[in-house]
Amino acid sequence: AQTVTQSQPEMSVQEAETVTLSCTYDTSESNYYLFWYKQPPSRQMILVIRQEAYKQQNATENRFSVNFQKAAKSFSLKISDSQLGDTAMYFCAFLPAGNKLTFGGGTRVLVKP
Amino acid sequence: DTEVTQTPKHLVMGMTNKKSLKCEQHMGHRAMYWYKQKAKKPPELMFVYSYEKLSINESVPSRFSPECPNSSLLNLHLHALQPEDSALYLCASSRSDGEQFFGPGTRLTVL
Repeated sequence: AQTVTQSQPEMSVQEAETVTLSCTYDTSESNYYLFWYKQPPSRQMILVIRQEAYKQQNATENRFSVNFQKAAKSFSLKISDSQLGDTAMYFCAFLPAGNKLTFGGGTRVLVKP
Repeated sequence: DTEVTQTPKHLVMGMTNKKSLKCEQHMGHRAMYWYKQKAKKPPELMFVYSYEKLSINESVPSRFSPECPNSSLLNLHLHALQPEDSALYLCASSRSDGEQFFGPGTRLTVL
């Protein structure tokens, strides 16, 4: 069974600074996808960024980037130039072949003005 | 149309009531999901429908009954719920590569 671990329950960051969220996973699969989802207090789960395991290049979406280390089974998310609207729960998620998405426990990010 | 919609946004029900949650998507996705989410926890998978057939049931109690009338609609029928069933219920649909798109959820309170 796959497991996803987010070791930081909560993090706070000053507006305009950078914060990095960690995620590790355990799998014997070689082909899979990894995602970071954001869930603000308004509760809608929004996809932030995705990474295909076969791609060596790290994904980037505007201020969000990942550091994907396949051998280490690590998938961290960096939020640059943090904005107040980035305050949310962030979930790392793993998707092997098939339909079952496995979530990490979540990291609550608080951006302070 | 690139969204998943859910109704109602909020639902309060007694333990003897029967109610239904509805989910709709028009992105042509052929897999749809129900999740249950407690506060500050990740979503827990309940059911998966693939091509309108139930493909995964995560040992959910029978007081939750899913239904997929067509490729765009997903219902969750609720009956004789318990207070511990109070939670946010999320619907999602996915593309062929598995990437899931979530609805805004229904906040359910069981009295």
